[in-house]
Amino acid sequence: QSALSQPASVSGSPGQSITISCTGTSSDVGNYNFVSWYQQHPGKAPKAMIYEVSKRPSGASNRFSGSKSGNTASLTISGLQAEDEADYYCCSFGRSNIYVFGSGTKVTVL
Amino acid sequence: EVQLEESGGGLEQPGGSLRLSCAASGFSFVSNVMGWVRQAPGKGLEWVSRITGSGVDTFFADSVKGRFTISRDNSKNTLYLEMNNLRAEDTAIYYCAKTTDFYMDVWGKGTTVTVSS
Repeated sequence: QSALSQPASVSGSPGQSITISCTGTSSDVGNYNFVSWYQQHPGKAPKAMIYEVSKRPSGASNRFSGSKSGNTASLTISGLQAEDEADYYCCSFGRSNIYVFGSGTKVTVL
Repeated sequence: EVQLEESGGGLEQPGGSLRLSCAASGFSFVSNVMGWVRQAPGKGLEWVSRITGSGVDTFFADSVKGRFTISRDNSKNTLYLEMNNLRAEDTAIYYCAKTTDFYMDVWGKGTTVTVSS
C-alpha cells in the first residue's frame, strides 16, 4: 500500500492552467476508474473536487477537470485563482478493497 | 444539512487505547459506506478504514490492521473507531468521511489523537 506519487509542488500565475499528476500502479490507478481528487486549505478538512477520474461533485468549480492514462491520473486547474492555493491529494480505490492517497501537491499561485 | 462530527480524541500513552466516535446527520446513515482518514502533523492524508452500511464488511490499511476496529450503530447514526496498542506514529487528526460512488464526499472537521508518554 505505497502512496501514489505526486509532485511536491506546482505553481502558476493567475489565469494560467496547471496540471498535477498522480502515478500509481496496475493495482490501483491503472485498474480502476475510481480516482478522486481533494483540495485541502490549511487547518481545514479536505474537499472533494473530482471523482471517478473526471466527474465533478456538486459545489466543485468547473475550472477543475480530471483525466487518466494508464497508471497516471491528472488534475487540471484552469483559470488559476488565488483561492486555488492549497494542498491537493489524489486517491484511488485499489486491490483488496482498500484506498490509497497520493503524497500531496502544494499549489502556489504566484 | 449533511454533517459529520468526530469526538473522542486526546492524549494517550503508547500501548494504550482510544475510541473515536462520529455522529452523522442530514442523510440516510444506514445506506452509506463510512470510513476514517487520518493526517499526521505536517503530513499527507492516509486512508485508515471503511465499513459497509450494514456493518458486515470492514476493511483496513495494513498500518492499522489487527490493532484498529471499525464499527457503527445505525440506530444512533454513529460511526466508531476503536484503536488499541497505540503507537507514536498513530498521532494524527482523524477525519470521519462518508463514501459515495467510491469517493469521500462529506468530511467531518476531525479529532486530534496524540500518542506520547
